[in-house]
Amino acid sequence: EAGVAQSPRYKIIEKRQSVAFWCNPISGHATLYWYQQILGQGPKLLIQFQNNGVVDDSQLPKDRFSAERLKGVDSTLKIQPAKLEDSAVYLCASSPRGGASGAYNEQFFGPGTRLTVL
Amino acid sequence: QKEVEQNSGPLSVPEGAIASLNCTYSDRVSQSFFWYRQYSGKSPELIMSIYSNGDKEDGRFTAQLNKASQYVSLLIRDSQPSDSATYLCASDSGAGSYQLTFGKGTKLSVIP
Repeated sequence: EAGVAQSPRYKIIEKRQSVAFWCNPISGHATLYWYQQILGQGPKLLIQFQNNGVVDDSQLPKDRFSAERLKGVDSTLKIQPAKLEDSAVYLCASSPRGGASGAYNEQFFGPGTRLTVL
Repeated sequence: QKEVEQNSGPLSVPEGAIASLNCTYSDRVSQSFFWYRQYSGKSPELIMSIYSNGDKEDGRFTAQLNKASQYVSLLIRDSQPSDSATYLCASDSGAGSYQLTFGKGTKLSVIP
């Protein structure tokens, strides 16, 4: 079974530029998550999708970050304009069916995108 | 504010010893708990899930859950140098969205 796919793996941009990340979850997984992981910290949830609807985006800095999951499968996360503090690893995860306890909520991570903002 | 607390380490153990990693969580409604292993420069990998009080064993790994004490632990028996990584503890938010809150992770070094 293929895992969560993400691209690109690395990105270096200047501050105030824009950047987009792509994620394709495990086949059949209804729930998709975007996390930000700063060095030395645990992943922090940015946004959660259930199928093609947003469950929670309360931690997403909406003045600069946006995300969509059209057709309930793959998703994109965009930052525009980027700031220096956005330098982090952006992780995408999927679970069979979030919003439920136990094994349905086991989350599997993609390889991540390491973003450096100069 | 839901919190998951872990000792950041580093925790150093000799090869073949038992490594004991601990985690406490603040949200009493949490129902599911997860341990992830993260190698340097890599993404988190799920290694154990536990939902009920008591112990759950999987190979060299044993997860322990005590909901009354809001405490989760991970034991790694016969530690190997390949177990050297950061271990992240996560708890869910209970009924509703069941979102995960992660600790900062404990860095484990297994010394040959």
